[in-house]
Amino acid sequence: EAGVVQSPRYKIIEKKQPVAFWCNPISGHNTLYWYLQNLGQGPELLIRYENEEAVDDSQLPKDRFSAERLKGVDSTLKIQPAELGDSAVYLCASSSREGGETQYFGPGTRLLVL
Amino acid sequence: GNSVTQMEGPVTLSEEAFLTINCTYTATGYPSLFWYVQYPGEGLQLLLKATKADDKGSNKGFEATYRKETTSFHLEKGSVQVSDSAVYFCALSGATNKLIFGTGTLLAVQP
Repeated sequence: EAGVVQSPRYKIIEKKQPVAFWCNPISGHNTLYWYLQNLGQGPELLIRYENEEAVDDSQLPKDRFSAERLKGVDSTLKIQPAELGDSAVYLCASSSREGGETQYFGPGTRLLVL
Repeated sequence: GNSVTQMEGPVTLSEEAFLTINCTYTATGYPSLFWYVQYPGEGLQLLLKATKADDKGSNKGFEATYRKETTSFHLEKGSVQVSDSAVYFCALSGATNKLIFGTGTLLAVQP
């Protein structure tokens, strides 16, 4: 079974530029999560989707961050405009009710804002 | 709110040594507890989990027991290998299934 797929793996941009990350969850997983992992820290939840509905976006900085999960499968996380402090690893995870809601993570996208 | 505290690293051990990484938690209700591992350059992988008090999670020689009385979920392994070198994260999830992670503990195993 394929795992969670994320792209790109690495991204370098200049500040004030936009950037987007893409995630394809494990097939059949209805719940999708985006996490932010700063260097030397544990991941922190940004947003959680149940199918195509965002059910917890309380930690998403909505002034510059947006996310969507059209058709309840793939998801895109966007930052516009990016700031220096956004340099981090952005992780996507997915889970299913049948799997006891255990979350499985993708490899992450490492973002560097110059 | 819910939180996880784990011992700071780095933890440096010789091959075949005994490993303990301490983890304690604060939570309302009855959370599920997890250990995730992050190898260099890779994403987080679920190592083991326990969903109720006194459960023992185990995988790849690692074990952790859900201790409600001490609110702990310490990770142990009897004999570490160089290939176990990684960052280990303790985490909990409550009713909303939101994962709360500790800050991670870097384990370095020397041959």
